[in-house]
Amino acid sequence: DVKVTQSSRYLVKRTGEKVFLECVQDMDHENMFWYRQDPGLGLRLIYFSYDVKMKEKGDIPEGYSVSREKKERFSLILESASTNQTSMYLCASSSGGTGGALGYGYTFGSGTRLTVV
Amino acid sequence: QQQVKQSPQSLIVQKGGISIINCAYENTAFDYFPWYQQFPGKGPALLIAIRPDVSEKKEGRFTISFNKSAKQFSLHIMDSQPGDSATYFCAASSAPRGSGGGADGLTFGKGTHLIIQP
Repeated sequence: DVKVTQSSRYLVKRTGEKVFLECVQDMDHENMFWYRQDPGLGLRLIYFSYDVKMKEKGDIPEGYSVSREKKERFSLILESASTNQTSMYLCASSSGGTGGALGYGYTFGSGTRLTVV
Repeated sequence: QQQVKQSPQSLIVQKGGISIINCAYENTAFDYFPWYQQFPGKGPALLIAIRPDVSEKKEGRFTISFNKSAKQFSLHIMDSQPGDSATYFCAASSAPRGSGGGADGLTFGKGTHLIIQP
């Protein structure tokens, strides 16, 4: 069964800590995405990547960075965690590439609920 | 700027009834409109999707109706069942804009919390 795996279901971190959220997909997908989900706000795109070492800012990139050193792994980094980054973080992947499969076959992980205290 | 507006925020429907969730978009470049279903503790899962070259798509009890001129699309759940109780998200995306033709991300509505009462 193909899947997107997020390394932690729950995390509690202190303000100012550097936080790494890891995501691995086993579908050989080119595209990977990080969203955050907040009540009443839906899912908001933080960063995405369409190739190894490539990254694009989404709608709310401030306070975040990403790393994609291997095709199957996409990491979200909170450089200095703040309480307003308490949220559910969802990783997703999709196949596609030039002109194709936009949004097709998005597969989401189960999410990481991050609490910053 | 919210590019996809979803309503209602919450919805209660009796078992066997029709659940209707509506979405409106602003960006005329959007050309793919999926609906996602999310159960508690799980990530969203693709339910059904439509392209603007058709006005309706049906898969089992789930139907998307699409009105290109009005820039609106809706999800209809026929014969709603308690197992359909979940949060539903509409979304939209457009052709790639990144260098090298890479993927763009989906823009999601804010979600509808659907409860089907037995």
